[in-house]
Amino acid sequence: KNEVEQSPQNLTAQEGEFITINCSYSVGISALHWLQQHPGGGIVSLFMLSSGKKKHGRLIATINIQEKHSSLHITASHPRDSAVYICAGARGAGTALIFGKGTTLSVSS
Amino acid sequence: DVKVTQSSRYLVKRTGEKVFLECVQDMDHENMFWYRQDPGLGLRLIYFSYDVKMKEKGDIPEGYSVSREKKERFSLILESASTNQTSMYLCASTQPGGYEQYFGPGTRLTVT
Repeated sequence: KNEVEQSPQNLTAQEGEFITINCSYSVGISALHWLQQHPGGGIVSLFMLSSGKKKHGRLIATINIQEKHSSLHITASHPRDSAVYICAGARGAGTALIFGKGTTLSVSS
Repeated sequence: DVKVTQSSRYLVKRTGEKVFLECVQDMDHENMFWYRQDPGLGLRLIYFSYDVKMKEKGDIPEGYSVSREKKERFSLILESASTNQTSMYLCASTQPGGYEQYFGPGTRLTVT
């Protein structure tokens, strides 16, 4: 079993839809990252969570430490949200990340 | 603004060539990482370094080596490139006490 697993692998949506991407992680991971990668582009950090919930614009990330589960929500999705979204865990500060396999999101207008 | 730069965005090399991928960060970060990204496998850790002249193997170090002669620069070396090393290579850095990692733009390497 991978230490970080995310689902779904692929996601298609119509513009305006509410989107959820899920991530589960194993014992020993103390912080969870959500990253975004546009086609041909570099990786951008969206959120880092160790508890609770964070919001930035139309993006919301939540984490449930007891269940070892995190979700990334996109409200009112837009074609520019089309990208690969990657969940990644860190065992400690300054350590390497352990990545999920990514979710490819395609939003059509 | 943290910046991590990589020497090339695209690189094409022949089998058996020695390949150098360079990564430079400008925020005085001690910790630096090399990952490779492949379809269906995601990102995997090749090597990392927590200080100058220090290096540690990651999950897939075979066929690679690294060099960290200066704090800001972390080089990935493919001693004898093979076709199965065709991939996207990403460098990242962070502070020892920090969680956020800053990624370079990536180098897409093709070995023919």
